[in-house]
Amino acid sequence: AQSVTQLDSHVSVSEGTPVLLRCNYSSSYSPSLFWYVQHPNKGLQLLLKYTSAATLVKGINGFEAEFKKSETSFHLTKPSAHMSDAAEYFCVVITSGSARQLTFGSGTQLTVLP
Amino acid sequence: NAGVTQTPKFQVLKTGQSMTLQCAQDMNHNSMYWYRQDPGMGLRLIYYSASEGTTDKGEVPNGYNVSRLNKREFSLRLESAAPSQTSVYFCASRVGGVDTQYFGPGTRLTVL
Repeated sequence: AQSVTQLDSHVSVSEGTPVLLRCNYSSSYSPSLFWYVQHPNKGLQLLLKYTSAATLVKGINGFEAEFKKSETSFHLTKPSAHMSDAAEYFCVVITSGSARQLTFGSGTQLTVLP
Repeated sequence: NAGVTQTPKFQVLKTGQSMTLQCAQDMNHNSMYWYRQDPGMGLRLIYYSASEGTTDKGEVPNGYNVSRLNKREFSLRLESAAPSQTSVYFCASRVGGVDTQYFGPGTRLTVL
């Protein structure tokens, strides 16, 4: 079965410094992976997705993620954090089959300090 | 184009009461999903509907029923609410052939 593990439940960075949110996946085949963001009391918004076309995936708001098969990782990065980046971030994997069910990691709460 | 809408936004129930959460999408998507979100657990799939007229259980279906009323609407029913069903419920939809799911704003449900 496919699964994802988010290695940090909370990450704090200062505004203007880099962001790294870590995600490892488990899959018996090449997975489809996503990062979603959830701002307080809001729904989920897709940041970016990996579907095997390119290992470095660029998303919205300056975020990107690199798929590393050898490390089974899909870490999310941003060169310079902004206050508006404070939110919860979810790493997500798709299951096989017609349902294309999403399996979510437990989430990483990002705090951006002024 | 409103995307995915959910009603109500907030609801408080007493144990044993019933209610239906409504979800509608105007993107002509084939598949629709219901998730629940609990602290520290990400989102978990309750039920999904791959196409109009079909529904299937997800990871945590116990205590819930669903109806795919038509292509636009997918409702979630709690027949006898329990405190363990206190959660935030999200509806999502997906067009066939594309994996991206689009989420509604959520319904915050409290069962006393």
